[in-house]
Amino acid sequence: DTGVSQNPRHKITKRGQNVTFRCDPISEHNRLYWYRQTLGQGPEFLTYFQNEAQLEKSRLLSDRFSAERPKGSFSTLEIQRTEQGDSAMYLCASSLARDLIPSSYNEQFFGPGTRLTVL
Amino acid sequence: ILNVEQSPQSLHVQEGDSTNFTCSFPSSNFYALHWYRWETAKSPEALFVMTLNGDEKKKGRISATLNTKEGYSYLYIKGSQPEDSATYLCATHSGAGSYQLTFGKGTKLSVIP
Repeated sequence: DTGVSQNPRHKITKRGQNVTFRCDPISEHNRLYWYRQTLGQGPEFLTYFQNEAQLEKSRLLSDRFSAERPKGSFSTLEIQRTEQGDSAMYLCASSLARDLIPSSYNEQFFGPGTRLTVL
Repeated sequence: ILNVEQSPQSLHVQEGDSTNFTCSFPSSNFYALHWYRWETAKSPEALFVMTLNGDEKKKGRISATLNTKEGYSYLYIKGSQPEDSATYLCATHSGAGSYQLTFGKGTKLSVIP
């Protein structure tokens, strides 16, 4: 399967614990995005990488959240001291930026998500 | 309109019926509109990316239109099948240099055999 993969698919944790999710993008894609979807809402943007550089962060990304993409390939999203409000589906997407094509044409390809439940 | 809005929130149709949903978005600073289909336990699947006013795109029984001046897009499904059951999401890019997508809440379609 050459699509975007995410691990784990489900995570149940107790409040106050730290959790880390992994995203493996489509191999040649240089852009990687994290989104979060809570119940009854559409996905909300969290952060974006171009290669290993984190270029954009939402105000939703509190200081308990940190994302990395150390070698410009896979990415991790860590949540420290989880709260019940962090319960959500965490989606990762990737896209390929081509110099001569405006960014709007770059489709974002999504993984299946990691569903986090904080008890 | 300040946000991306979708209607209806949910929809039940009989197999074979045609249906359509609406996505409304701010017409200022429009850059592109994306439609996705998201089946339960699967990845959201890209259907269309639309950028120009008056764009019409088609993929099998699904088609979409775009009106950037009034800020709306319609998604049509002709002859709905049970496998069309999914949540349909639309999302916009707000402008050059910003790569984040702003999503609506989605329309959940259930096709009854």
